[in-house]
Amino acid sequence: GAGVSQSPSNKVTEKGKDVELRCDPISGHTALYWYRQSLGQGLEFLIYFQGNSAPDKSGLPSDRFSAERTGGSVSTLTIQRTQQEDSAVYLCASSLTGTGASTDTQYFGPGTRLTVL
Amino acid sequence: AQSVTQPDIHITVSEGASLELRCNYSYGATPYLFWYVQSPGQGLQLLLKYFSGDTLVQGIKGFEAEFKRSQSSFNLRKPSVHWSDAAEYFCAVEPIKAAGNKLTFGGGTRVLVKP
Repeated sequence: GAGVSQSPSNKVTEKGKDVELRCDPISGHTALYWYRQSLGQGLEFLIYFQGNSAPDKSGLPSDRFSAERTGGSVSTLTIQRTQQEDSAVYLCASSLTGTGASTDTQYFGPGTRLTVL
Repeated sequence: AQSVTQPDIHITVSEGASLELRCNYSYGATPYLFWYVQSPGQGLQLLLKYFSGDTLVQGIKGFEAEFKRSQSSFNLRKPSVHWSDAAEYFCAVEPIKAAGNKLTFGGGTRVLVKP
């Protein structure tokens, strides 16, 4: 597609349930990133994919959070046993190479707003 | 550890007036520098970026930013604000030439435009 897409746009769930958030990056982009935007913590990095592998998972807040990427394209962020503090907007971004080159820019999707009741 | 500070949480400006948003960073070496804008319910849109060279960077929507190494600052400016510029603005940094170039963001500045 023309840009990064994310689904669903909104998700309301009950505490303790599992949720899956999906990101479809820009076609041809090998790098994919997940960020979280919350009132208390601002915008924070969660995980980075290069192709299907995740060399940097340093931002995942707990082992309830996991992510995978298949076929070098779509990524799914899974939160198990959701807690109220997981309520946030989850943003996905992609970039062409993820190599840190000056021409490599991250493009963001519209986000998924997660509300845990 | 690297950090980004946006000292102003909120700014109110009249339509047609000039706007300046402040950004200071703390990092071992000059990183790549970015400004993103987020309109209500939208994702982040890149306004401009600085990698090297000319310290005055032009971006989209009439925005520009000036990198000042001595002050570790990267302030965003617009000479004449339009009502559509009401949004939240984020400054971000990225390590130079580091694989997995994750962004570190400032806390954001929310801009309100008065008619």
